[in-house]
Amino acid sequence: DTAVSQTPKYLVTQMGNDKSIKCEQNLGHDTMYWYKQDSKKFLKIMFSYNNKELIINETVPNRFSPKSPDKAHLNLHINSLELGDSAVYFCASSPRDSRVNEQFFGPGTRLTVL
Amino acid sequence: QKEVEQDPGPLSVPEGAIVSLNCTYSNSAFQYFMWYRQYSRKGPELLMYTYSSGNKEDGRFTAQVDKSSKYISLFIRDSQPSDSATYLCAMTRGGADGLTFGKGTHLIIQP
Repeated sequence: DTAVSQTPKYLVTQMGNDKSIKCEQNLGHDTMYWYKQDSKKFLKIMFSYNNKELIINETVPNRFSPKSPDKAHLNLHINSLELGDSAVYFCASSPRDSRVNEQFFGPGTRLTVL
Repeated sequence: QKEVEQDPGPLSVPEGAIVSLNCTYSNSAFQYFMWYRQYSRKGPELLMYTYSSGNKEDGRFTAQVDKSSKYISLFIRDSQPSDSATYLCAMTRGGADGLTFGKGTHLIIQP
């Protein structure tokens, strides 16, 4: 009965590698997001994806690319990983018709770049 | 000045106390205000949300928004050790806008 799920939960990789994180939601939501939580626990929006429209946060390097195969999935692909990419990445979703935009978060993927 | 300011704590109180958590913000375009609770190594969990100024109560939790002062609060009555967590305020303009979070306050309820 998981609402928003992410895989993998932990990811350890070498600098320069390319990796992907997967996100799935079974809430029937139309909008999905990726957030990054750094070592100081600060949570910051990276992308939102609503009805095939991608809204990119201008501070996100173009090594990060979200891909949505369908409404229930939003994956995050990261090229040429750097040490500073080490963080916890959270996926979230919200209902299309919600003016409040309450968002429901996944459990997070802890990425460590060595 | 950061868009959302929140004291990171830690804030340590005895069980049964009333807890007050606060955030200030600078962007007057924010319309919706939320509080999330995050346990260690878990995702944020939505506790409450409010629209514009006013109060909202849900069980032991009360959220307050004062848009004129750009100040929001979360009160926890009869605090329990299970309330120990990091509490994050968040706000948004609405629609598909992402949430802007405070840094979170680490709350410890002592048994």
